[in-house]
Formats: sequence, C-alpha cells, structure tokens
Amino acid sequence: DTGVSQDPRHKITKRGQNVTFRCDPISEHNRLYWYRQTLGQGPEFLTYFQNEAQLEKSRLLSDRFSAERPKGSFSTLEIQRTEQGDSAMYLCASSLVSAGVSYNEQFFGPGTRLTVL
Amino acid sequence: EDKVVQSPLSLVVHEGDTVTLNCSYEVTNFRSLLWYKQEKKAPTFLFMLTSSGIEKKSGRLSSILDKKELFSILNITATQTGDSAVYLCAVLNQGGKLIFGQGTELSVKP
Repeated sequence: DTGVSQDPRHKITKRGQNVTFRCDPISEHNRLYWYRQTLGQGPEFLTYFQNEAQLEKSRLLSDRFSAERPKGSFSTLEIQRTEQGDSAMYLCASSLVSAGVSYNEQFFGPGTRLTVL
Repeated sequence: EDKVVQSPLSLVVHEGDTVTLNCSYEVTNFRSLLWYKQEKKAPTFLFMLTSSGIEKKSGRLSSILDKKELFSILNITATQTGDSAVYLCAVLNQGGKLIFGQGTELSVKP
C-alpha cells in the first residue's frame, strides 16, 4: 500500500453513461497525476495538478474527460458519454515537488478498472 | 515525439538465472529515468536514476543510466518466482510528467 487510494476499484458501465473516479493522494504531496493503462501497454499520461491548479492536459484527454482537484487534496476524473474505447485501468499517482523544483518519485494508487459494455 | 522503448517485450527464465532488461529513450527535457515493477496492480517504485554511470542497487536488483547513449538497464540476479511481473521504464521530463515504455513481461519458472 503506497498511501494513494482510489475509488471505486472496479466500474462496469454501459456505453453512453457518465462515470466519476476519485483519487486521494498521500497527504503531504502537492502533485497529483492521472494516467490511463490499457492491456499490454505502459501507462499513458492524461493530466496533472499542482495543488488545485491543473497544469497540463494530454491530447488523449478529449472534451468528454474532465478532472478537478478543488481543494488541492483529492481529485476526481469524470468521463461523460462513455465509449467502449474508454475501457482501461485509470491510475492516479502523487508526488512531492519541493520549492527548489526537486522532483521525487511518483507513487501510484491501485487504479480503477473501467469496463464499458 | 517523446518515446521510451523497452526490450525484450517478454522474457521467460528459470529460477537462479540473471536477466537484463533494456530501456532506450528519446525524450526532450529529460530529467530522470525511473523503473517500476507491476504485478497485476499499480506500479511500485524501484529506482530513480538521474546521473550517468552511477549504479543503484537494491538487493538482487540493480540499474544504471547512460545519458550519452540514451538508455538504461535493469539487472536482476538469482531470479526468483516472485520476480515475475511487468517491469516498466519511464522517463520524467522537466515538467514532471512520466513517459512510460510498454513494459517487459518477465516470467520466472521454478
């Protein structure tokens, strides 16, 4: 257990439905990342936050995807009008970036496995 | 476009063998290279390498980075069945984003 938690762990939904995932990072970590991993591939970057500010979004993140981190603690990732191609493992990671811009390793949560029928 | 390539994609060995996993990269604004182990769940951190030629070790695992040739290797000596997993290589860029390779699936047979 890395200290990063995600909920739910599994989600099965029908095409066209909206889904929302939650990530709780390690409490002192100021950076929070979302990645998507499909079978047989490494994780792909989606977006990240420093505190409550969303600093970068991948072009993989279509307008059906939105992420928030309203108070700089937990984050949510919402997918609207789900498609079968959205089926994947959604991973959250957190890290501490210090004031001198020193990057520490990212710790991953257990992931949310999404299946879109 | 930034890319990280791992080889081989899969490997089957017997307990006690030594394995070497390879990772090459072409990433602008390179900061560090990281290795993770993934066993049917989230990746767990193994090493972070920032400087060339300095070996990092943890038990039977070791890793080294060559920033001139743009590659890293992960060595596992005296493999055990518990080493069976997917090993992920990722490059951290200056923005703090990880760019992952596709992973090497290692299977250690008793």
